Amino acid sequence: DTEVTQTPKHLVMGMTNKKSLKCEQHMGHRAMYWYKQKAKKPPELMFVYSYEKLSINESVPSRFSPECPNSSLLNLHLHALQPEDSALYLCASSQGDMREKLFFGSGTQLSVL
Amino acid sequence: GDSVTQMEGPVTLSEEAFLTINCTYTATGYPSLFWYVQYPGEGLQLLLKATKADDKGSNKGFEATYRKETTSFHLEKGSVQVSDSAVYFCALGGTSYGKLTFGQGTILTVHP
Repeated sequence: DTEVTQTPKHLVMGMTNKKSLKCEQHMGHRAMYWYKQKAKKPPELMFVYSYEKLSINESVPSRFSPECPNSSLLNLHLHALQPEDSALYLCASSQGDMREKLFFGSGTQLSVL
Repeated sequence: GDSVTQMEGPVTLSEEAFLTINCTYTATGYPSLFWYVQYPGEGLQLLLKATKADDKGSNKGFEATYRKETTSFHLEKGSVQVSDSAVYFCALGGTSYGKLTFGQGTILTVHP
């Protein structure tokens, strides 16, 4: 299994809603990532988890809250988002060696109304 | 800091044409270099990679050589197909844990 699975594929939410994005991998990877991608732009790193511990937070607003319940799962909890947060949210994983490639999921297309 | 510069797009080619997408980088240390491809509505897929100078990455007819002397990693394909239409990202990794530095992306459209 060489897949990173993200759910849901699409999400529409209001600015007062609370929702969660989910990501799962069964490749035994020890590092997992959240990226945000605006249309026609490269992905921007948000968070990195290494061995289930948060190792990098790229100064992301607190309305985004990551969680890593175990080595296979990564969540991104969303609360009080703004319309400018609308984007494609990509999860990725890697073996953990910083020179190794990342495996990306297909993403969650988020629209904030 | 690290940076990646890709040629401006979009690039439009006819089927069976030769493709080059230029990529140059600035980095401290000894980065790994990657080309990722993103098809419409999908996430990024690794196309090829090289981990040290003079390495050549290749996959699906695409090639790129890690050139330390020119700090480049240009993507080439001898004969493109309509199915190669996508966005291509050059990326650098390995100088800061967990972080890939991406170029701006190049939109490729191949017409029959």
